[in-house]
Amino acid sequence: AQKVTQAQTEISVVEKEDVTLDCVYETRDTTYYLFWYKQPPSGELVFLIRRNSFDEQNEISGRYSWNFQKSTSSFNFTITASQVVDSAVYFCALSGGKIIFGKGTRLHILP
Amino acid sequence: EPEVTQTPSHQVTQMGQEVILRCVPISNHLYFYWYRQILGQKVEFLVSFYNNEISEKSEIFDDQFSVERPDGSNFTLKIRSTKLEDSAMYFCASSERENYEQYFGPGTRLTVT
Repeated sequence: AQKVTQAQTEISVVEKEDVTLDCVYETRDTTYYLFWYKQPPSGELVFLIRRNSFDEQNEISGRYSWNFQKSTSSFNFTITASQVVDSAVYFCALSGGKIIFGKGTRLHILP
Repeated sequence: EPEVTQTPSHQVTQMGQEVILRCVPISNHLYFYWYRQILGQKVEFLVSFYNNEISEKSEIFDDQFSVERPDGSNFTLKIRSTKLEDSAMYFCASSERENYEQYFGPGTRLTVT
């Protein structure tokens, strides 16, 4: 069975601090895909990144970076120099067709 | 930039009534999905649709649910006899290929009274 665990339910940090959101996944598939989505207070789901299971290279996009470690089945997301606009619920997800979402981490960036 | 659109943004219906939620996926996408999110909870997969047929469905997607692509642009979710527990935000999504990133619409908030 496929499963995504986001152990951090809620995190609060002060603006400009770095913050890492954890994601651990379970799957028996050898080929799979991992995603992060952002859900701001307005409610829409915004795609952030997609990673396939064969590509363990870390990725950086501006203030966002992702660390994929197959050995620990983790796909963590770091926001550097956080801003108030980063406040949202962040979902990690796993796909082998349909997307299985984690329960999300609610991130509060305090001014 | 192309986007997924959904109508209506909010639908209020009485228990037992039928509702149809509408979605227009991104035009060159081939895979279509419905998800739901009960308030404050995680996003749950309902169904995926490809080549005019259901490719996968969850245990939530029982006989009261159906999907259709009635023309070349719309993708609909019908709930035949709504229950109170169907109250949720329903998201449509589409992707260019299987396992590619799915782009989500803004959602339809369904309230069953």
